[in-house]
Amino acid sequence: EAGVAQSPRYKIIEKRQSVAFWCNPISGHATLYWYQQILGQGPKLLIQFQNNGVVDDSQLPKDRFSAERLKGVDSTLKIQPAKLEDSAVYLCASSFDRGRYEQYFGPGTRLTVT
Amino acid sequence: GENVEQHPSTLSVQEGDSAVIKCTYSDSASNYFPWYKQELGKRPQLIIDIRSNVGEKKDQRIAVTLNKTAKHFSLHITETQPEDSAVYFCAASKVRAGGTSYGKLTFGQGTILTVHP
Repeated sequence: EAGVAQSPRYKIIEKRQSVAFWCNPISGHATLYWYQQILGQGPKLLIQFQNNGVVDDSQLPKDRFSAERLKGVDSTLKIQPAKLEDSAVYLCASSFDRGRYEQYFGPGTRLTVT
Repeated sequence: GENVEQHPSTLSVQEGDSAVIKCTYSDSASNYFPWYKQELGKRPQLIIDIRSNVGEKKDQRIAVTLNKTAKHFSLHITETQPEDSAVYFCAASKVRAGGTSYGKLTFGQGTILTVHP
């Protein structure tokens, strides 16, 4: 089975610029998550989708971050405008749900804001 | 919200020794506890998980134990090998009674495990 796909793998931008990340979950996985992992820390959930609906976005900085999953499959996370503290790895994960709890992570996008 | 504390932050062992990493959680409603291994520059990989209706689970050289009363769970790696060197994260989540997940994993801070040959 193909894993979670993410692109780009690396991105360097200047502060106040915008950036977008893309994620394609494992086929058939209804739930999709975006996590932020700052260097030396564990991943922190930004937003969770169930199909194309938002389940939890309580930790998403909504003044600058947005995410969508229009057709219930792939998803896009956007930052506009970026700040220096947004430098991190952005991980996408997916899970089958319906009694299966395992979350599978993509390779991540490493964002550097200068 | 849930808070997960993980110790130690670094752990150094000799090849063949055992390694133990401990986590505590704050939300007594949490009932799903996975462990992830993350090698440098790679994605987190699920290595073992446990649900709150089970006290212990084993898979070859790794095992996880859960003490719901004390709200802590531990990862045990026996006969460590250099390829076990990585960062290990514990996490906690809540699963609905119907089997679907709240999903949100709250992670510990990570343990850097180094296995010396």
